[in-house]
Amino acid sequence: EDQVTQSPEALRLQEGESSSLNCSYTVSGLRGLFWYRQDPGKGPEFLFTLYSAGEEKEKERLKATLTKKESFLHITAPKPEDSATYLCAAQARGGADGLTFGKGTHLIIQP
Amino acid sequence: DTEVTQTPKHLVMGMTNKKSLKCEQHMGHRAMYWYKQKAKKPPELMFVYSYEKLSINESVPSRFSPECPNSSLLNLHLHALQPEDSALYLCASSHGTGTGYTFGSGTRLTVV
Repeated sequence: EDQVTQSPEALRLQEGESSSLNCSYTVSGLRGLFWYRQDPGKGPEFLFTLYSAGEEKEKERLKATLTKKESFLHITAPKPEDSATYLCAAQARGGADGLTFGKGTHLIIQP
Repeated sequence: DTEVTQTPKHLVMGMTNKKSLKCEQHMGHRAMYWYKQKAKKPPELMFVYSYEKLSINESVPSRFSPECPNSSLLNLHLHALQPEDSALYLCASSHGTGTGYTFGSGTRLTVV
């Protein structure tokens, strides 16, 4: 069974304090690893897709990396507006055409 | 247009009511999805439509009935729901497997 595990469940940082969120995955052949941001009461907002180990993608203060077993979302010098729940999701090859989500990391950036 | 539009944003319905959720996208995406999300939980896949045909039904109760009238529209018909069905219902679309999914803002459903 495909599984995605995110840690920590919650993270509180001071503005400007860099950190990383972890996503461990167990899937029968990874087709893609996705990162989303979700604000309360809203739908997930697409951030990145990673396809192979060693791949990295950046967007503003966010950088996502991928290994054969896990992905990291690095947040550099975060601002209060980066506060949100960050969801990781995996899609397996040859499986259902849907995403298996982790439970998310609730990130709070304090001014 | 790079959005997935869902209506209504909020819905309160009784257990004997029949209602429908609507989803629309004009990005030319070939696949559309319904997800259910309970509070503080991740989204859970309900249905997948590929080229307007239902390809996946993740053991969802028959009180939820999906419909894909054309490649841009997706409906979810609701009938005889239970209070535990209260959740945020999310629609998403994509070009195909392995590509980014675009989610709508969701419909907040409350069953009373």
